Amino acid sequence: DQQVKQNSPSLSVQEGRISILNCDYTNSMFDYFLWYKKYPAEGPTFLISISSIKDKNEDGRFTVFLNKSAKHLSLHIVPSQPGDSAVYFCAASPYTGANSKLTFGKGITLSVRP
Amino acid sequence: DVKVTQSSRYLVKRTGEKVFLECVQDMDHENMFWYRQDPGLGLRLIYFSYDVKMKEKGDIPEGYSVSREKKERFSLILESASTNQTSMYLCASKGGGAVRAFFGQGTRLTVV
Repeated sequence: DQQVKQNSPSLSVQEGRISILNCDYTNSMFDYFLWYKKYPAEGPTFLISISSIKDKNEDGRFTVFLNKSAKHLSLHIVPSQPGDSAVYFCAASPYTGANSKLTFGKGITLSVRP
Repeated sequence: DVKVTQSSRYLVKRTGEKVFLECVQDMDHENMFWYRQDPGLGLRLIYFSYDVKMKEKGDIPEGYSVSREKKERFSLILESASTNQTSMYLCASKGGGAVRAFFGQGTRLTVV
């Protein structure tokens, strides 16, 4: 049973435009949500996170929106740049305490066209 | 910044071999994790450890075991490697009260 779903496997956008990456979850116990970016042959790197007490968190070109009632979050990248081309993983956790773990989605491959 | 180091970037092993993947972190994190990444399947948790000598199974533990004798080191063991264990293996660590996990650079394992 997939608890974190990234239903679109890929997205292609023009440089300078907005990229919107979507993520849905089924476990209502999830309280923390993160986005990671991964280049081929490298480990994932942390991008941005949000807790369930917020509905928006912004860091530079990256903004994450959380709709808890819909169990949906999205990552907005504005403006998109060719260097943003990578696989993006959505992850969720029920709490931050000892032995808490992250559950990941399948990832979305973003291609930004010059 | 936190450094998570995996012992090898690329490995080629034969079917039936016992394989050890090593991971070391330098931030005194309590939690360490092993994931594998496969196309179309995302990151799947194999095992994790929240303290020395403590371990819990993740979603796909079959065919794997782990060892955590020291806080900074977490080893993944493939008891008898099979071709379906060809994958990218990713180690991560996380502080006890934190949400964010830090990943190593990954080990691309090919079993022939």
